[in-house]
Amino acid sequence: KAGVTQTPRYLIKTRGQQVTLSCSPISGHRSVSWYQQTPGQGLQFLFEYFSETQRNKGNFPGRFSGRQFSNSRSEMNVSTLELGDSALYLCASSPSLAGGPRETQYFGPGTRLLVL
Amino acid sequence: AQTVTQSQPEMSVQEAETVTLSCTYDTSESDYYLFWYKQPPSRQMILVIRQEAYKQQNATENRFSVNFQKAAKSFSLKISDSQLGDAAMYFCAYRLPFEYALNFGKGTSLLVTP
Repeated sequence: KAGVTQTPRYLIKTRGQQVTLSCSPISGHRSVSWYQQTPGQGLQFLFEYFSETQRNKGNFPGRFSGRQFSNSRSEMNVSTLELGDSALYLCASSPSLAGGPRETQYFGPGTRLLVL
Repeated sequence: AQTVTQSQPEMSVQEAETVTLSCTYDTSESDYYLFWYKQPPSRQMILVIRQEAYKQQNATENRFSVNFQKAAKSFSLKISDSQLGDAAMYFCAYRLPFEYALNFGKGTSLLVTP
């Protein structure tokens, strides 16, 4: 099976712009989670989607939003970009419903966003 | 809120030796899951090992094992027979059952020297 794919891999934007990142989960996986990784804050959970519904949301401002499509592909959007949004954005997919201990989150390679 | 603390920003080990990475966490829950993830320079996060809090037996995966001390809220990772390919950032993470949000520690950078 192909792994989690994220596009684009690298992105440069300027302050005030908006950006959309895409994540394609492993085939058959229905849950997609997003994380932001920065040197200062480390890895922080953004949100999680299942069956096109947001189930969990981290402590991020409303400029960060996401959605999931019927084929489980997910996008996240950041509006009005700030310098502090520069980060590696990681997407992870999981197969099943229950969130039990054996359910592994498989991570994609990430999208590195630089805001100038 | 649950917090995960990794007190060692960097560790170094010689090839073939054993190293232990520390992790402590703070939670009021009795049922939860703990994980160690590895992030090599490629930035791809890879699950190394997981532990269910209700299990007293420590998890092992080949050269990787954990020392889970529930009362002390400690979850250390032991890497035996270290290999050059083990060099990476290692993150300790916590998750509640039926949720998908992983709480990560700040990470420990492991250097493996020949």
